[in-house]
Amino acid sequence: DTGVSQDPRHKITKRGQNVTFRCDPISEHNRLYWYRQTLGQGPEFLTYFQNEAQLEKSRLLSDRFSAERPKGSFSTLEIQRTEQGDSAMYLCASSLSGAIHYFGPGTRLTVT
Amino acid sequence: DQQVKQNSPSLSVQEGRISILNCDYTNSMFDYFLWYKKYPAEGPTFLISISSIKDKNEDGRFTVFLNKSAKHLSLHIVPSQPGDSAVYFCAATPLRSGGGADGLTFGKGTHLIIQP
Repeated sequence: DTGVSQDPRHKITKRGQNVTFRCDPISEHNRLYWYRQTLGQGPEFLTYFQNEAQLEKSRLLSDRFSAERPKGSFSTLEIQRTEQGDSAMYLCASSLSGAIHYFGPGTRLTVT
Repeated sequence: DQQVKQNSPSLSVQEGRISILNCDYTNSMFDYFLWYKKYPAEGPTFLISISSIKDKNEDGRFTVFLNKSAKHLSLHIVPSQPGDSAVYFCAATPLRSGGGADGLTFGKGTHLIIQP
């Protein structure tokens, strides 16, 4: 399978705990994006990387969120001190220098 | 403020007929537009896109029309098939020099239901 993969697919955590998600992009893609989607909404942009450089962060990305792409390949998104409002689908996408994003299946986070 | 609007939360169409999904945008900086299809529990799948230098792009049963003066685009699916039942998202972005994008701005989606 050469598509975008995300792990885990589902995560249930208690409020206040930290969680980390992983995204593996399509292998030759140099851009990697994180989005969040809540019920009834479209995906909302969080941040993106070109190779290992984080080029843009949305105002939605509070101080509790951090993303890394240490070697320009896979990326991690960490949420510290989770809150119930963080419950959402977290989507990763990659692209090869173009605007077309190829999305992974998402990680569904439930904060109880 | 919503920069990309899909004003129809749902649309029901008979199998074999044409499905028309609409999208409006407000940001004049947007110059590249995309349509995605999403099934439950899956990520969005890219369908078709159009650059602001064109007013139409066609790919098989899917055609996207862009009216820049009205800041409006539409997706036509002909003929509609049962497998087309899904949520359709319109997205837009300004293009960077070199063709890349910082991030896409999505509408809230339209749930298309194809009736047999």
